[in-house]
Amino acid sequence: SQKIEQNSEALNIQEGKTATLTCNYTNYSPAYLQWYRQDPGRGPVFLLLIRENEKEKRKERLKVTFDTTLKQSLFHITASQPADSATYLCALRTGGGNKLTFGTGTQLKVEL
Amino acid sequence: DAGVIQSPRHEVTEMGQEVTLRCKPISGHDYLFWYRQTMMRGLELLIYFNNNVPIDDSGMPEDRFSAKMPNASFSTLKIQPSEPRDSAVYFCASSLEGSDNSPLHFGNGTRLTVT
Repeated sequence: SQKIEQNSEALNIQEGKTATLTCNYTNYSPAYLQWYRQDPGRGPVFLLLIRENEKEKRKERLKVTFDTTLKQSLFHITASQPADSATYLCALRTGGGNKLTFGTGTQLKVEL
Repeated sequence: DAGVIQSPRHEVTEMGQEVTLRCKPISGHDYLFWYRQTMMRGLELLIYFNNNVPIDDSGMPEDRFSAKMPNASFSTLKIQPSEPRDSAVYFCASSLEGSDNSPLHFGNGTRLTVT
């Protein structure tokens, strides 16, 4: 079956450390992948888009990698802060058209 | 830019009642998406529109669900009759272009509780 999997368990890290979140997918060959952040009671907010021909993309303290051979994207937050605590979702286009399918998300908690 | 506006923020209704959720997309955005989020199933796409025309409604659970977009600035998602299993947070999102080039901008959702 077609799946987009993210770590189901919450990730707890200490402030200042690098957080690494994983997004694995099967049976898709996406041309791009997106990452979103969701805070409680709010809608997801777009963070980064990476295309299949871009192995790595950075934005401030965020870095995303995309390995189409492994069918995996890694999302890194360097020098993490308590304000980074949220749920992070990956998303990719599945099938034709503009249908964007989301992973289940990973909850990140950055502790002092 | 006010962002995507959804109403109501919370809706509590009894089983069998009709529920209408409303969405105002960002002005100028050509695409509008309705998603549903639950703990068990995560964020699921129900339907999306391009230039007010429904393109893919394969995610709509059953005939009790219907969505319309009468003009570029307004969309509704209707559930009739509602059932307890419809309880979820319903999100509307819009994008400027197709998802290849353009991220989705989400509203803050409508939390629906059906008792």
